[in-house]
Amino acid sequence: AQSVTQPDIHITVSEGASLELRCNYSYGATPYLFWYVQSPGQGLQLLLKYFSGDTLVQGIKGFEAEFKRSQSSFNLRKPSVHWSDAAEYFCAVVGGGADGLTFGKGTHLIIQP
Amino acid sequence: DTEVTQTPKHLVMGMTNKKSLKCEQHMGHRAMYWYKQKAKKPPELMFVYSYEKLSINESVPSRFSPECPNSSLLNLHLHALQPEDSALYLCASSLTGDQPQHFGDGTRLSIL
Repeated sequence: AQSVTQPDIHITVSEGASLELRCNYSYGATPYLFWYVQSPGQGLQLLLKYFSGDTLVQGIKGFEAEFKRSQSSFNLRKPSVHWSDAAEYFCAVVGGGADGLTFGKGTHLIIQP
Repeated sequence: DTEVTQTPKHLVMGMTNKKSLKCEQHMGHRAMYWYKQKAKKPPELMFVYSYEKLSINESVPSRFSPECPNSSLLNLHLHALQPEDSALYLCASSLTGDQPQHFGDGTRLSIL
């Protein structure tokens, strides 16, 4: 069965600083990987996805992520964060077929002025 | 604006009530999902419908009953819920099962 680990429960970053959120996955085959963001009281918004091909994927809101098979990682990055980026970030994986998403526990991002 | 619409946004019900949550999408997606999310936790998969057929039931208690009347609609019927069922219920849809899922804003359910 697939699993996702997000090692950081909370991360605090100053506005304008760079950001990296870590995600490690466990899956037997090539995984389909996603990053979602959730603001308080809201649903989840897809930031980006990796299926195959180029291991550096670009998403919305200036986010990117890099798939590293050798490290079983799919870390999310942003060169300069804005106060509006404060939210909960979830890494997720889906297996083949209509399996539904398996989420990591999430990372809560706090932006300092 | 979200492309997956969930109603109602908030619901308060007693343990003996019967109510339904509704989810609608018009993106032509053929897979639809129900997730339950407790505070400060990730969403947990409850049910998956693929081409209007229930394909996954993650050992959810029978007091939750899903229904997919057509390819655009997904319902979750609730009966005799317990206080621990209070949570945010999220609906999602995807073109097929391995494609990105689009989420609604959820229904905040409180059981008295």
